[in-house]
Amino acid sequence: GEDVEQSLFLSVREGDSSVINCTYTDSSSTYLYWYKQEPGAGLQLLTYIFSNMDMKQDQRLTVLLNKKDKHLSLRIADTQTGDSAIYFCAESTGDSWGKLQFGAGTQVVVTP
Amino acid sequence: GAVVSQHPSRVICKSGTSVKIECRSLDFQATTMFWYRQFPKKSLMLMATSNEGSKATYEQGVEKDKFLINHASLTLSTLTVTSAHPEDSSFYICSARTRSGGYTFGSGTRLTVV
Repeated sequence: GEDVEQSLFLSVREGDSSVINCTYTDSSSTYLYWYKQEPGAGLQLLTYIFSNMDMKQDQRLTVLLNKKDKHLSLRIADTQTGDSAIYFCAESTGDSWGKLQFGAGTQVVVTP
Repeated sequence: GAVVSQHPSRVICKSGTSVKIECRSLDFQATTMFWYRQFPKKSLMLMATSNEGSKATYEQGVEKDKFLINHASLTLSTLTVTSAHPEDSSFYICSARTRSGGYTFGSGTRLTVV
């Protein structure tokens, strides 16, 4: 199985908050990332968190990290239709290659 | 800053031909670039790590003779899909590690082999 796991689909009403969850297995992860991918496009970095932090807030985005449970979440406040996309979490173990391990992505659909 | 330009965005080629995809770092030098492949409704699969001036490091199961990677300069890495077949049809994305340690991605290339 994958080292990074996410739920595949989330439907949310416009104006509500979205919470996307992610679990990872590598305890040596140094950075954890959230990326957004719109149809046919590349990945856009939304935010990231260093593994010694437990929370990071950036405007409408809040990242929570529970290192003990290896659980990462992304909360989007006041979700808008433009937030409809696939969201990937990824971990980096900080080795010399700096490779990222991605989850399968969560498709978020925002309904009016 | 830290923009990666990937070209072409879409390409259709005939089975048996080769296709080259370029990935350029526009405003920074990228000593390391990564090539990913994405299947429909699937995650990104790392294919190889490209280091400027040296041979690429391929992930297990990726055919290096089929997916040729060249990283001849600090701003350009290319992926050539040789003798393409329909099963090579996919979305290919490059990324580069920035000076700050983050990762920036190209906009991807949709390859269709007919």
